[in-house]
Amino acid sequence: QKEVEQDPGPLSVPEGAIVSLNCTYSNSAFQYFMWYRQYSRKGPELLMYTYSSGNKEDGRFTAQVDKSSKYISLFIRDSQPSDSATYLCAMSGREAGNNRKLIWGLGTSLAVNP
Amino acid sequence: ETGVTQTPRHLVMGMTNKKSLKCEQHLGHNAMYWYKQSAKKPLELMFVYSLEERVENNSVPSRFSPECPNSSHLFLHLHTLQPEDSALYLCASSQDRGTGGTYNSPLHFGNGTRLTVT
Repeated sequence: QKEVEQDPGPLSVPEGAIVSLNCTYSNSAFQYFMWYRQYSRKGPELLMYTYSSGNKEDGRFTAQVDKSSKYISLFIRDSQPSDSATYLCAMSGREAGNNRKLIWGLGTSLAVNP
Repeated sequence: ETGVTQTPRHLVMGMTNKKSLKCEQHLGHNAMYWYKQSAKKPLELMFVYSLEERVENNSVPSRFSPECPNSSHLFLHLHTLQPEDSALYLCASSQDRGTGGTYNSPLHFGNGTRLTVT
């Protein structure tokens, strides 16, 4: 079993739809959870970052962490064509230097159609 | 210039060539990373430099050789590559708190070098 599972898609939705992107993980020691967005021909950029459980909201984006189910989600409300990108989840434990120990999902390719 | 800059953007090389990828960060970070991104695979960490010292190498083949002359510059020297080495090579930087801290400073990525080995 992979440490992090993420459906690569592709996912295609109409403009204005609510998008739900998900990752599951197996390591209960994970404490930091990140979502990166990667546009075509660009590097990944940090979109959302949460520590431990709970929700975090930033504009149209909401990140949720359910540690009991080992499940994280990214919701995009009122999706726009500019949201078309690949979304990667990443996570790590709380130990020092944990950027070196980030575990990445495969990334989900999202297309928002006008 | 801001952020993380990588050159060249594209590189085509034969299996017997020697080339180098360059990365420069303008964020004042003290840690730099090389990642390999291949289709249908998660990001693979290749090398990490923190405070100019290489602190981790994830069993990458010796045909890849990193160099970090200072905290702002990072190189990846390539020689006698294989076709399976064709991928997007991403450089990233972050502020590393080392063993004294647990704060997870986010990674800032460059736009990568698309490498094709023929």
